[in-house]
Amino acid sequence: DTEVTQTPKHLVMGMTNKKSLKCEQHMGHRAMYWYKQKAKKPPELMFVYSYEKLSINESVPSRFSPECPNSSLLNLHLHALQPEDSALYLCASSQDLGLATNEQFFGPGTRLTVL
Amino acid sequence: QQQVKQSPQSLIVQKGGISIINCAYENTAFDYFPWYQQFPGKGPALLIAIRPDVSEKKEGRFTISFNKSAKQFSLHIMDSQPGDSATYFCAASRGSSNTGKLIFGQGTTLQVKP
Repeated sequence: DTEVTQTPKHLVMGMTNKKSLKCEQHMGHRAMYWYKQKAKKPPELMFVYSYEKLSINESVPSRFSPECPNSSLLNLHLHALQPEDSALYLCASSQDLGLATNEQFFGPGTRLTVL
Repeated sequence: QQQVKQSPQSLIVQKGGISIINCAYENTAFDYFPWYQQFPGKGPALLIAIRPDVSEKKEGRFTISFNKSAKQFSLHIMDSQPGDSATYFCAASRGSSNTGKLIFGQGTTLQVKP
């Protein structure tokens, strides 16, 4: 299984809502990532988890809260988002950090719209 | 110094032609250079990658050329097909950094006309 899955595919939420994005991989990868991608732009790194511990937080606002319950799962909890947070949220995984080839596998993304 | 500059921003090629996308970097500590292909509404997919100890890598119709002294690398798509129409991102990372950070170029939208 060489796939990263993400749910839901689409999400519409109001600014006062609380929602969660889910990501799963069964490749035995120990590094997992959250990216945000705006239209016609490259992915922007948000968070990196290594062995289920938060390794990098790219100064992301606290209304985004990541969680790694186990080595296969990664969640992104959303609360009090702003319309400018509307974007494609991508999850990725790689075998480990610090490897010569950082081959990251991306999921299909969750298209988030904040009203 | 962390930037990767990608050009052109968009590219139109006739079917059967060669598509060429270029990237340049400044940080000589980068040691891994992947290319990602992204279709609308999908996540990026790793297409091909190269390390600086080789000057060229070929996989099917896709070739990366790497010029270490010029700090440039490029993607060549031979015999371009309409199904290759997508956005292409080059990227760079430093494997020894332990961060896993990929520095992406700004992307090139490729349209292959039938």
